[in-house]
Amino acid sequence: EAGVAQSPRYKIIEKRQSVAFWCNPISGHATLYWYQQILGQGPKLLIQFQNNGVVDDSQLPKDRFSAERLKGVDSTLKIQPAKLEDSAVYLCASSSIRDGLTYGYTFGSGTRLTVV
Amino acid sequence: SQQGEEDPQALSIQEGENATMNCSYKTSINNLQWYRQNSGRGLVHQILIRSNEREKHSGRLRVTLDTSKKSSSLLITASRAADTASYFCAHTRHPGGYQKVTFGIGTKLQVIP
Repeated sequence: EAGVAQSPRYKIIEKRQSVAFWCNPISGHATLYWYQQILGQGPKLLIQFQNNGVVDDSQLPKDRFSAERLKGVDSTLKIQPAKLEDSAVYLCASSSIRDGLTYGYTFGSGTRLTVV
Repeated sequence: SQQGEEDPQALSIQEGENATMNCSYKTSINNLQWYRQNSGRGLVHQILIRSNEREKHSGRLRVTLDTSKKSSSLLITASRAADTASYFCAHTRHPGGYQKVTFGIGTKLQVIP
């Protein structure tokens, strides 16, 4: 079974520029998550999709961050404009749900963003 | 913040010793999971314990859950240098019909050969 694929692996941009990250979840996983992990901290959920609908974006800074999951498969996360404090690793994860229980919660390797 | 808390935040032990990490949370949960993260890599699931379970084993890992104290502990027995990593607990609950997974701040484990 292929894992969760993310790209790019690394990205360096200047503040006020825009950037986009891509995630391809495990085939058949209905739930997709984007997390932000600042160095030395645990992952913080930015947005959670169930198929192509958003179920939780309460911690997404909507003035600069946006995400979409067209056709309920791949997803992109965009930051525009970026700030220095956006420097972090952006992790994508996916899972399936069966009988109300979550299975196969799997993370990608992440995209390390540095804003200078 | 809704993040759980792990303690200690950093732990350094000799190879062969046992490592114990603790996690606390604030809400009712469906299950609690422990993840491992090597430096610069993604998180890898280690073990899951459901809210109606009190103890679970997987190889050298033992996890306990005390829902009355809203706490969990992860024990790694006979540690190896390769166990060096950060360990995160994550609790899952159902607010409004979907699974919400919240991570703690992590324990950084160093196993000295």
